[in-house]
Amino acid sequence: GAVVSQHPSRVICKSGTSVKIECRSLDFQATTMFWYRQFPKQSLMLMATSNEGSKATYEQGVEKDKFLINHASLTLSTLTVTSAHPEDSSFYICSARTGLAGGQETQYFGPGTRLLVL
Amino acid sequence: GENVEQHPSTLSVQEGDSAVIKCTYSDSASNYFPWYKQELGKRPQLIIDIRSNVGEKKDQRIAVTLNKTAKHFSLHITETQPEDSAVYFCAATQGGLTGGGNKLTFGTGTQLKVEL
Repeated sequence: GAVVSQHPSRVICKSGTSVKIECRSLDFQATTMFWYRQFPKQSLMLMATSNEGSKATYEQGVEKDKFLINHASLTLSTLTVTSAHPEDSSFYICSARTGLAGGQETQYFGPGTRLLVL
Repeated sequence: GENVEQHPSTLSVQEGDSAVIKCTYSDSASNYFPWYKQELGKRPQLIIDIRSNVGEKKDQRIAVTLNKTAKHFSLHITETQPEDSAVYFCAATQGGLTGGGNKLTFGTGTQLKVEL
């Protein structure tokens, strides 16, 4: 299957700082990437849909000014958690959708970034 | 929007037995149903998927069935092994060029434990 990387894998930061997470599709071009958040023993909750060259579409309840998403190229999307607080501590996972016919819907996930805000 | 329910939340089986996980969805427009396996602290990995024009799909020990009329789909794992132990998530979406941007709606997950 397609390969998606994510960096960093783990980050610890102080409350009030900003953290940037990168998501890359390594062997395919992804016009659409998705950002999820997963709390312990819970399901994946979609935060936003990232579209290359346009603004991200945020899910209800997700603050777009707090979770900045930039999808500058067909292989890279970034999520910046601004002014992070302890309640933002979570496992953040991106996914990328292959854009070819017949596999349009298939999403491949990055390895995730574990964020701990002290 | 789409709502996906998944049962059971935990499932414990003996090695070699079969395991079945069931999901229901609400949006009749959904037409793509993937299943993901997630080990602790790792990424979800696609293990099998099914599209609405197919009723059943099998890949070695894993099979998925889909009942469009009843809006439910199931994952079947036969001859379970300890390495099958993980959390399994079902999901649903409208595939194709349109359809809500192909957002996946996930079920709540099933913790499968295969005991020796």
